[in-house]
Amino acid sequence: DVKVTQSSRYLVKRTGEKVFLECVQDMDHENMFWYRQDPGLGLRLIYFSYDVKMKEKGDIPEGYSVSREKKERFSLILESASTNQTSMYLCASRSQGYAGELFFGEGSRLTVL
Amino acid sequence: RKEVEQDPGPFNVPEGATVAFNCTYSNSASQSFFWYRQDCRKEPKLLMSVYSSGNEDGRFTAQLNRASQYISLLIRDSKLSDSATYLCVVKGANDYKLSFGAGTTVTVRA
Repeated sequence: DVKVTQSSRYLVKRTGEKVFLECVQDMDHENMFWYRQDPGLGLRLIYFSYDVKMKEKGDIPEGYSVSREKKERFSLILESASTNQTSMYLCASRSQGYAGELFFGEGSRLTVL
Repeated sequence: RKEVEQDPGPFNVPEGATVAFNCTYSNSASQSFFWYRQDCRKEPKLLMSVYSSGNEDGRFTAQLNRASQYISLLIRDSKLSDSATYLCVVKGANDYKLSFGAGTTVTVRA
């Protein structure tokens, strides 16, 4: 069974803290994505990576960075967390060449106080 | 204007009923269309792709209307287990860019 695993389901951080969200997939997928999901706004793409060490900005990259040193792992970094980054963060992966099916992790709910 | 817009609902229907809802998209160059399902406090999962000619998957029927730039999802003989949020997803010319709607919530009651 395919699996995308996010390191933390729930996190509470303080404003200004550095936050790491990690995602690991076991499907040997080339493409990986980070989204945030907020009520009424749907999923918004933060960053994606189409291959190891490659990254591209999505629609809302400000305040975030990413790292993909290994094919199976894609990390999202909040250098200095702010309250407006309180959200549900979803990692997804996809096989190159098939545009439609994203496999999502269970999500990480981040609260910034 | 949002790239993908959906009626948030909720659509409250009794078991056995038929429910249908639409999603509109703004980019006429959009190439591929999908419906995802998201259960409460769970991650989204692909429900079905939407093809130009329309397609069925069991009790679910998806339609695409390119001229009016909308897609639809119809659920026949609703089950309690169909209660979920249905996300409309549109792929543009960029292979990596999928645009998600905010979702339509369906609640099926006994």
